[in-house]
Amino acid sequence: GENVEQHPSTLSVQEGDSAVIKCTYSDSASNYFPWYKQELGKRPQLIIDIRSNVGEKKDQRIAVTLNKTAKHFSLHITETQPEDSAVYFCAASLASGGSYIPTFGRGTSLIVHP
Amino acid sequence: DSGVTQTPKHLITATGQRVTLRCSPRSGDLSVYWYQQSLDQGLQFLIQYYNGEERAKGNILERFSAQQFPDLHSELNLSSLELGDSALYFCASSRSGGANEGYFGPGTRLTVL
Repeated sequence: GENVEQHPSTLSVQEGDSAVIKCTYSDSASNYFPWYKQELGKRPQLIIDIRSNVGEKKDQRIAVTLNKTAKHFSLHITETQPEDSAVYFCAASLASGGSYIPTFGRGTSLIVHP
Repeated sequence: DSGVTQTPKHLITATGQRVTLRCSPRSGDLSVYWYQQSLDQGLQFLIQYYNGEERAKGNILERFSAQQFPDLHSELNLSSLELGDSALYFCASSRSGGANEGYFGPGTRLTVL
């Protein structure tokens, strides 16, 4: 089955710095890669996603890049703010024929210091 | 508020017992997904239903079962509970299958004593 490794497990940055979280996956059939943000005590929220036919996607201060050959994808957050502090999860999934089977990374705790 | 509701919010029970968790998807969503989140296992996909039928299966134990009813609400049944089943159980819903648009419910916190 799919295996997703996520690094680092904790990331501490100063407000205004950039943050990068990296994930690797094992199954070359995976074709959909979402990222979730989970604030303490709350539900996960989808913040950005990318499909295997795209190399990069950007939404304001966040961007995701995908390298299919190397089987890794990354989340980039620029100009970090204290409200970006949360746990971020990546997932690699096979989405086809109306089904969706994600495998999640173990999460990265991002701490943004004011 | 995502529009996905889950009941109960908290559940405390004993080992060996059986519980049922309930999820109501957003209006118009046909697909429901169940996830387990624990410190040991992290976030894991359990199972997906689409319009009443099982569509995809993840790391769901044989002691666990789920179903989606004609009104599209779903129930996750956990039986012969063990201490390790203590976790947050989330459901999510989406308009169609194929990819989760990310609308998670607030979760049910299960504590097995």
